Amino acid sequence: AQSVSQHNHHVILSEAASLELGCNYSYGGTVNLFWYVQYPGQHLQLLLKYFSGDPLVKGIKGFEAEFIKSKFSFNLRKPSVQWSDTAEYFCAVRNFNKFYFGSGTKLNVKP
Amino acid sequence: NAGVTQTPKFQVLKTGQSMTLQCAQDMNHNSMYWYRQDPGMGLRLIYYSASEGTTDKGEVPNGYNVSRLNKREFSLRLESAAPSQTSVYFCATSHLYGYTFGSGTRLTVV
Repeated sequence: AQSVSQHNHHVILSEAASLELGCNYSYGGTVNLFWYVQYPGQHLQLLLKYFSGDPLVKGIKGFEAEFIKSKFSFNLRKPSVQWSDTAEYFCAVRNFNKFYFGSGTKLNVKP
Repeated sequence: NAGVTQTPKFQVLKTGQSMTLQCAQDMNHNSMYWYRQDPGMGLRLIYYSASEGTTDKGEVPNGYNVSRLNKREFSLRLESAAPSQTSVYFCATSHLYGYTFGSGTRLTVV
């Protein structure tokens, strides 16, 4: 079965700092990759996705992610975080119509 | 608005009680899912339904049953609630571009 690892469980940053959240997955075949965000008290919302093509994917709110096939990684980045980015971030992998989620990374951005 | 609707939003049960969590979607998607979300454990798949009339177990199916009543509705039943089932439950549908999640049900079993 697929597994998804998010190594950073809790990240604390000041506003304007740069962000990189790691995501690694285990399955080496064709996968679709996603990052979801969950703001406090809300449900998960899609930030960005990668299916094929350009491995650098741009999403909403200034987020981007890079797919590195050789490293089985799909790291999320943002050049300058804002207080409103405080949320929990989940990496997800889909293969054969089943999704597998990482355990999540809580991001706290200090104003 | 199109989307996934879950009811109820909050529920408190006593150990041993039963209840059904309801989920309905108006997006005409075939696949529907039930997840539970626990701190530090991400989302874990309980059951899923690839199409009307079919259901399959996910990672953590014990203590739960599901019914795919029709294409729109996918319910999750706890026959005899246990404190270990205290969690936030999310229903979701799957489409080409990812998942659409419901707003969640926060369940506490005391």
